[in-house]
Formats: sequence, structure tokens, C-alpha cells
Amino acid sequence: DQQVKQNSPSLSVQEGRISILNCDYTNSMFDYFLWYKKYPAEGPTFLISISSIKDKNEDGRFTVFLNKSAKHLSLHIVPSQPGDSAVYFCAASGNYGQNFVFGPGTRLSVLP
Amino acid sequence: DAGVTQSPTHLIKTRGQQVTLRCSPKSGHDTVSWYQQALGQGPQFIFQYYEEEERQRGNFPDRFSGHQFPNYSSELNVNALLLGDSALYLCASQPPGSAYNEQFFGPGTRLTVL
Repeated sequence: DQQVKQNSPSLSVQEGRISILNCDYTNSMFDYFLWYKKYPAEGPTFLISISSIKDKNEDGRFTVFLNKSAKHLSLHIVPSQPGDSAVYFCAASGNYGQNFVFGPGTRLSVLP
Repeated sequence: DAGVTQSPTHLIKTRGQQVTLRCSPKSGHDTVSWYQQALGQGPQFIFQYYEEEERQRGNFPDRFSGHQFPNYSSELNVNALLLGDSALYLCASQPPGSAYNEQFFGPGTRLTVL
């Protein structure tokens, strides 16, 4: 039973345009949501997070939106750059970091 | 600062064997977590070590065990290897009192079980 789902295995976007990566979760006890980026032969690196008490968090070109009623979050990258090409993982955890769960990932390709 | 380091990089074992993977955390980090990432999937939490004790555990059988040493480095042991244990094993460390967003991941050890 996948508690965190990323239904798009891959996404291609033109450089300069917006990339939108989606994530759905099933466990209403999740309290904290994170996005990680992973390049080949490297471990995942933390990108941005959001607490369940917020509906938006912004950091430079990256914005995460959370819709608790729909159990859905999305990561927006504007503008997209070729260096953003990587696998993006959505992750969720309980209030004190328990039950930390990753989604299966979405491979983003930003085309020049 | 070397970051999180893992050894070996790659490993090939046969079914039924035992394997030990090693992790050195980032300097100043005292908590180490281990993850299994199967092909095409996201990392799955195995367990977390803090103060040389297992603090949290994911849904993995007892064949998976670990250890943390006084210098905070850690080992992951897997006994009676199965074909399904083939995966990338990631180690992550975090500083004292931090949340999961402060985890730093190593590059992983690729384990192949034949």
C-alpha cells in the first residue's frame, strides 16, 4: 500500500517554462512534507518542505503547495533550467519524524 | 568536509550470504538512518540509529540489523540474502536535534544479489 504516490514517472519541460510535479498521499497523520532532488550516482538532496499548517512555501524558483483536504501537494519550478533535470521525490512524515515515507519519484527533463 | 560517505560503492553477493555495508556521517552529525531504494522506487526507511541504539524501524524483517559506533559511524547488516534484497542502500545523517529536512544522504551502495 503506497502511502505517498507520484503518478507521473516522467515529465519533460522546455527551458524557461514552469515545471509542476505532483504528489498524493493517503495517510492523514502525515504532518510534514518534503521534496528531494536526486542526480545519478548521488544521494537525494533536500529541496524544500512544508508543514501541514501551511498551504504554500516558497524558496527562490521553487514553491510547494499543499491541499490538505485533497491530500495533494505540488512542486512548482519557475523558470525551469536544464540543471533541474533530475529525479524528484516527494516525502512525508509524522509530527516527530516518525513514519518517514518517500514516493516513487518523477524524472524531470528540462530541454534547452 | 567529506559529507556522508558509504562503502563499498558496489557489491555482488549470492543468495544466502551475509553482507555488511558501512556509513560515515557528516562531521557533527550524530543520527544515522538507512534506506533501501529498489529500482524504479523511492527510498524505503529501514531504521535509524542514535546514541548507538536503534531508535526507529521501518517495515523490514529481522534479517536487517545495524549498529552505530561511538564515533557515530554505522553499519547495516543483511543476513540470508534474497534476490529481492538487490537495491541501492542509502545512508543519511543529521545533526543533533534536527528534523528530517536536515538529513544529508550519501551516494549509496549498490548491492546485487545473484
